[in-house]
Order: sequence, then C-alpha cells, then structure tokens
Amino acid sequence: NAGVTQTPKFQVLKTGQSMTLQCAQDMNHNSMYWYRQDPGMGLRLIYYSASEGTTDKGEVPNGYNVSRLNKREFSLRLESAAPSQTSVYFCASSPEGIYGYTFGSGTRLTVV
Amino acid sequence: EDQVTQSPEALRLQEGESSSLNCSYTVSGLRGLFWYRQDPGKGPEFLFTLYSAGEEKEKERLKATLTKKESFLHITAPKPEDSATYLCAAEDNNNDMRFGAGTRLTVKP
Repeated sequence: NAGVTQTPKFQVLKTGQSMTLQCAQDMNHNSMYWYRQDPGMGLRLIYYSASEGTTDKGEVPNGYNVSRLNKREFSLRLESAAPSQTSVYFCASSPEGIYGYTFGSGTRLTVV
Repeated sequence: EDQVTQSPEALRLQEGESSSLNCSYTVSGLRGLFWYRQDPGKGPEFLFTLYSAGEEKEKERLKATLTKKESFLHITAPKPEDSATYLCAAEDNNNDMRFGAGTRLTVKP
C-alpha cells in the first residue's frame, strides 16, 4: 500500500546514545515533516523539508538533525539522547498546495 | 502567536447520541483548517480540509463546518467504531501548521 513508512516502531535508548529514525514515502510528495507527540500537547513540528535538498527548523528543533536523502527519504537523528526526548515521533508528507498530510505509524522512543 | 484549542478534551457518548467537537483557532491568515482521526498506536489519518468560513464537508456520520474563529466536527448517530482521538490543525499564510491537542471520543454500545 502507498504511504509513509517509519522505522523502527519502538526504541529504548540510554541517555547520551545516538540514533536515526528513518522515514520513506512512495507518493511522490515534495514536502516531508517530522513531528513529536506528547500527552496533552498537540503535534509539534521538529523539522520539515519543502523539497529535495532543503530543510528548515520547526517549533522544537533543539537536539535533532535531519537529512533529506532524496525525494522519498527524510531521516531524523538524535545525536545525544536526553530523557526529554522521550516521545512518539511521526513522519508525514504532503504534495504542494493546501492538502492534508499523510502520516506514518510512528516511532515510540523512550530515553532512560 | 498562532493557537489552536480543542474542546472538550474527552467525550463519552452512547451509540446513536449525536454531538459536536469544537476547534477554536487564532492564526494570522487562515489558509486551511484540517481534521484528522487518530486511533491508538497509529498515526493521524486525514479526514477533511476546510478553506473558508461557511464551508461544510461530510463523510459518513461526520460533518465539519468552519466559521471565522472556530470549526466544529459534528458526529451524527455515532457507532463504537467512531471511537478515536480527533485532531484539528490550522495552516496560516506563512505555511505554518498548528495542531490542537485533540478530543478523545469514546462511543459506548
């Protein structure tokens, strides 16, 4: 099925460890996004990429880096994980224009 | 600063008991108001986009409406399978998207 694929689905890290969350879409969308979702709060934008080769900071970028590897793939890296980064992370994509996003199924990350 | 507020936080209905979810927004120039459905352990699923005040969209038992300050998601004769968290989001003229915290809907048989 066409859509957004995220890996891994679950991850436990120790404070200070690094990891990369992977995201790929097969809908030929230009824009891709990384969000985090915490209880009682709305989805908050970490980074986005309006097109291949460009990336921009969102509302909560500190502690994260991203790479738009090609049109399909957009990865999120935590260089030195902290307990405050415990969250559920969602990748999303959208075509140009005012359209709803297609979200992946999420990565549940726990930092101990 | 752009803000999106959803109410109530949680809503419990009996099957067949119609109700409405509210989404109030404050954004600098609304480009689009979006509704999503999110099931536990899954990503949000897109439902509707509304572009201007007075617009309405329907899908099965759901109808979304938009005014200049808020949007409503009306649920008519809900069924247990409508149980989910419903999210709204507003996009402004700077292409910034702001999400509300969601309304958790439970429909009891």
